[in-house]
Amino acid sequence: IAGITQAPTSQILAAGRRMTLRCTQDMRHNAMYWYRQDLGLGLRLIHYSNTAGTTGKGEVPDGYSVSRANTDDFPLTLASAVPSQTSVYFCASSDSRRGGLYGYTFGSGTRLTVV
Amino acid sequence: GENVEQHPSTLSVQEGDSAVIKCTYSDSASNYFPWYKQELGKGPQLIIDIRSNVGEKKDQRIAVTLNKTAKHFSLHITETQPEDSAVYFCAAFRTGTASKLTFGTGTRLQVTL
Repeated sequence: IAGITQAPTSQILAAGRRMTLRCTQDMRHNAMYWYRQDLGLGLRLIHYSNTAGTTGKGEVPDGYSVSRANTDDFPLTLASAVPSQTSVYFCASSDSRRGGLYGYTFGSGTRLTVV
Repeated sequence: GENVEQHPSTLSVQEGDSAVIKCTYSDSASNYFPWYKQELGKGPQLIIDIRSNVGEKKDQRIAVTLNKTAKHFSLHITETQPEDSAVYFCAAFRTGTASKLTFGTGTRLQVTL
């Protein structure tokens, strides 16, 4: 593993089903983030975690939950998927202990289609 | 909170020409401004960044300028090549443990032959 790994790369999901998107990083970054990307809307923050054991809500948190049991993993769960959650999801991480002035590292994304 | 506006949303240039993408931000305390390039099917990748104590930074064919007074910053790509075709995002950040990057809505750059 080098950087951030997201899984799956794509998924078609029936509405109402539960889904967990996985994200793992090997850079020992303390902070991790989940974004969704929709055409014309750029990257919108769903949830974040500044350190293991803590999480926070971003701009569009409704319908999503996260956990941060350790430094490396930051799964995103859709409890009951709806079609409006069709999007491309990106996980990112950063070393905010250095003031965050080094940008984020992004994964390759998960393309989710809810039907 | 911070608000970042990015223009244009699409930009088409001929190979060899220059491309300029502009962003404005609202929080005067923001002090870090990265630019990301996203190729088709991939995640965004950091290509250049600038801190608030610097007015301009250059890395080969790309450069970023920052005007703190006007609260805007720009990405300049010279001698564009087909491989520069991608979506570019600007972002703004304010130092602090609770801070997160705020992204612009992206610019789709198309370099034509």
